Amino acid sequence: AQSVTQPDIHITVSEGASLELRCNYSYGATPYLFWYVQSPGQGLQLLLKYFSGDTLVQGIKGFEAEFKRSQSSFNLRKPSVHWSDAAEYFCAVGANQAGTALIFGKGTTLSVSS
Amino acid sequence: DTAVSQTPKYLVTQMGNDKSIKCEQNLGHDTMYWYKQDSKKFLKIMFSYNNKELIINETVPNRFSPKSPDKAHLNLHINSLELGDSAVYFCASSHRDSSSPLHFGNGTRLTVT
Repeated sequence: AQSVTQPDIHITVSEGASLELRCNYSYGATPYLFWYVQSPGQGLQLLLKYFSGDTLVQGIKGFEAEFKRSQSSFNLRKPSVHWSDAAEYFCAVGANQAGTALIFGKGTTLSVSS
Repeated sequence: DTAVSQTPKYLVTQMGNDKSIKCEQNLGHDTMYWYKQDSKKFLKIMFSYNNKELIINETVPNRFSPKSPDKAHLNLHINSLELGDSAVYFCASSHRDSSSPLHFGNGTRLTVT
């Protein structure tokens, strides 16, 4: 069965500083990895996804993530954070298998200080 | 133009009542889901339907009953509501299985008093 760990519950970053949110997954086969963002009172929006190929994937809003199979990680990065990036970020793992659902990590709350 | 829409957005009710949440998607997806987000923001899968067939039924009390009249709709009915049912319930859809990205509705915040 798949599982996801986001080690950081809450991170505060200064506006303009770089950001890295950590995600570790556990899955025996090829994982399908996703990052979602949730703004207060909103649903979840897909930032980016990794299926195969290039291990560095680009997403919306200037985010990118790098898949490292040897470390079972899929960390999310952004070179320069904006105040509007303050939100809840979720890493999720899926499988190319009928009858499965995305499994989410517990999320990381990002605060941005001015 | 809303891709996944769920109603109502807010639901406040008393213990013991029965309530329903409706969800509709216009993306042409075959699979729909209900997730529950608790007060600590943890998202947990409850149910999944593929083309009107129940394919995932996690350990959820029998008081929760999903219904999918067609592949574009997935409703959630909850009987005899309890305080612990208070949460945000998200509907989502995808093309097939969990290798496809989920598209989420904006959630229904259920408060049981």
